[in-house]
Amino acid sequence: GAGVSQSPSNKVTEKGKDVELRCDPISGHTALYWYRQSLGQGLEFLIYFQGNSAPDKSGLPSDRFSAERTGGSVSTLTIQRTQQEDSAVYLCASSLARYNQPQHFGDGTRLSIL
Amino acid sequence: AQKITQTQPGMFVQEKEAVTLDCTYDTSDPSYGLFWYKQPSSGEMIFLIYQGSYDQQNATEGRYSLNFQKARKSANLVISASQLGDSAMYFCAMRERGYSSASKIIFGSGTRLSIRP
Repeated sequence: GAGVSQSPSNKVTEKGKDVELRCDPISGHTALYWYRQSLGQGLEFLIYFQGNSAPDKSGLPSDRFSAERTGGSVSTLTIQRTQQEDSAVYLCASSLARYNQPQHFGDGTRLSIL
Repeated sequence: AQKITQTQPGMFVQEKEAVTLDCTYDTSDPSYGLFWYKQPSSGEMIFLIYQGSYDQQNATEGRYSLNFQKARKSANLVISASQLGDSAMYFCAMRERGYSSASKIIFGSGTRLSIRP
């Protein structure tokens, strides 16, 4: 079946612009996660959703970052007034909502801020 | 608060040797799951193996096994008979059961494994 789909795969934009990153999870996966990964680094947790609600937004770096999920499916991560330090790969993952279930990751969106 | 620690930033191993990647964790939740992922240079995250906190036996998946020592809070990944294709970044992750049907999964900082021919 289809895996986690992220779009765009690459995004280059100028500092100060807003960007929207999209994640389409595996059908039936009610849990959805966003991570950020800088070059050669680990995964930085941003936010996760259970259904359409976000029980934990603690990882969002600033109020320029927001995320929503509609219909228990597609999620968008929005970064307003982008800064150069926002350049990274943004990874989305989905899973069944049980603690023994692994996450399935998308291929990520590589964001470059000029 | 939950925490995952991987103390080996990088490792070099000769092909066909076994390798152990360290992972320690901290949690106050008695119900949790531990995961290992592989990230090759191409960037995709590949799920390797899972260990539950109540599992009595160490998990195994092909050449991967997990050395789970609950009292020490460690969950080391063992790769037997390493291959050149095992060269990648490896991440340990933990998910607590928590109070909701889904919960945050946190990752360690990773270990970069390089296999020498």
